[in-house]
Amino acid sequence: QVQLQESGPGLVKPSQTLSLTCTVSGGSISSVSYYWSWIRQPAGKGLEWIGRIYISGSTNYNPSLKSRVTISVDTSKNQFSLKLSSVTAADTAVYYCAREIGGRRHFDYWGQGTLVTVSS
Amino acid sequence: QSALTQPASVSGSPGQSITISCTGTSSDVGDYNYVSWYQQHPGKAPKLMIYDVSNRPSGVSNRFSGSKSGNTASLTISGLQAEDEADYYCSSYTTSSTHVVFGGGTKLTVL
Repeated sequence: QVQLQESGPGLVKPSQTLSLTCTVSGGSISSVSYYWSWIRQPAGKGLEWIGRIYISGSTNYNPSLKSRVTISVDTSKNQFSLKLSSVTAADTAVYYCAREIGGRRHFDYWGQGTLVTVSS
Repeated sequence: QSALTQPASVSGSPGQSITISCTGTSSDVGDYNYVSWYQQHPGKAPKLMIYDVSNRPSGVSNRFSGSKSGNTASLTISGLQAEDEADYYCSSYTTSSTHVVFGGGTKLTVL
């Protein structure tokens, strides 16, 4: 059974960089069949796709966040990571990592989510 | 404003059927059969209920079904049960650079 688990600081100061890691267990992050995504959800609001990475290292980002986002992968640790720079209160949200099936834009496994609050 | 349009809320009584609509454009829902639906209970991660318009992942009840007509996709839940009360989100492949778009979500209340 594949499991994803987010980890990282729950509180980030404005203008700093939010950093989260997603650890994948029960399956290999190196599989050619999947993309690995970050999705966020502000309290009481809908889902927003942040970006994704493929095992080749190829990335795609939401244009609205592209200038501030970096997603990377560490195959030796079966992990992928998110960095979001210059954060503001608007970046406060629950952040999820998720597995996307082969470019078909549906996510079959999700992490439990981690709340990141941007506040001084 | 979400790229896909869903009703904010729907409701139904136990045993009834309800349908949630998800309207997009020819750049997403209309031209591609990569529409999916997610169920989200409070404080929980979304759960995939339907993918590729009408396919159910293993373990998802056959009370959940999906369809599409033109630019609008639909999720139907038959034989409503109390545990179906949740938020439901649609999403779709899109040719825009956002790669995937979500609906704003629909709150289902089981009366």
